[in-house]
Amino acid sequence: DAGVTQSPTHLIKTRGQHVTLRCSPISGHKSVSWYQQVLGQGPQFIFQYYEKEERGRGNFPDRFSARQFPNYSSELNVNALLLGDSALYLCASSSLFRDRVTGNEQFFGPGTRLTVL
Amino acid sequence: ELKVEQNPLFLSMQEGKNYTIYCNYSTTSDRLYWYRQDPGKSLESLFVLLSNGAVKQEGRLMASLDTKARLSTLHITAAVHDLSATYFCAVDTPLVFGKGTRLSVIA
Repeated sequence: DAGVTQSPTHLIKTRGQHVTLRCSPISGHKSVSWYQQVLGQGPQFIFQYYEKEERGRGNFPDRFSARQFPNYSSELNVNALLLGDSALYLCASSSLFRDRVTGNEQFFGPGTRLTVL
Repeated sequence: ELKVEQNPLFLSMQEGKNYTIYCNYSTTSDRLYWYRQDPGKSLESLFVLLSNGAVKQEGRLMASLDTKARLSTLHITAAVHDLSATYFCAVDTPLVFGKGTRLSVIA
């Protein structure tokens, strides 16, 4: 089975530009979450979507937005890029929104490394 | 606000030795996760701990959870070089991560 896939793998942008990152969850998984990982730190939660609805938002500015499509894939959009947006962006999928049996285990994709110059 | 603290943040171990990584969290939660990350790579799920007293083992790694103390441990037995990586604990949904423990196993 294919795991979580993300595209592109690497991206270089300049300040002020806009970027779109894409994620396809594991087949059968309906929940997708986005995390930002700055070098040397743990990942920080940005968004969670389940059944195409936003179910959670982290402490990120409105420049960050996301959506989930009917096939459960997702896009993360970042407008007006800043140097501080340079990071590894991770997508994670899980089967259910809150699953007491499996504990809502999240499986991570390979990430998109964004560099803002 | 949920906070997750790991210690140590850096750990250099000799091969064959045992050591424990600690993960403390600030508010009640009934789910805790351990992940491994190799340099430049994504996160690999190691353990999911869902109840007080839960203990799980995989190879040389064993994880436990004490929800009353808000503490999880990741115990490494007879370390080998292949275990060198950064280990993260994460709590709740959505995941709140610690800063990670960078483990280096040396001969």
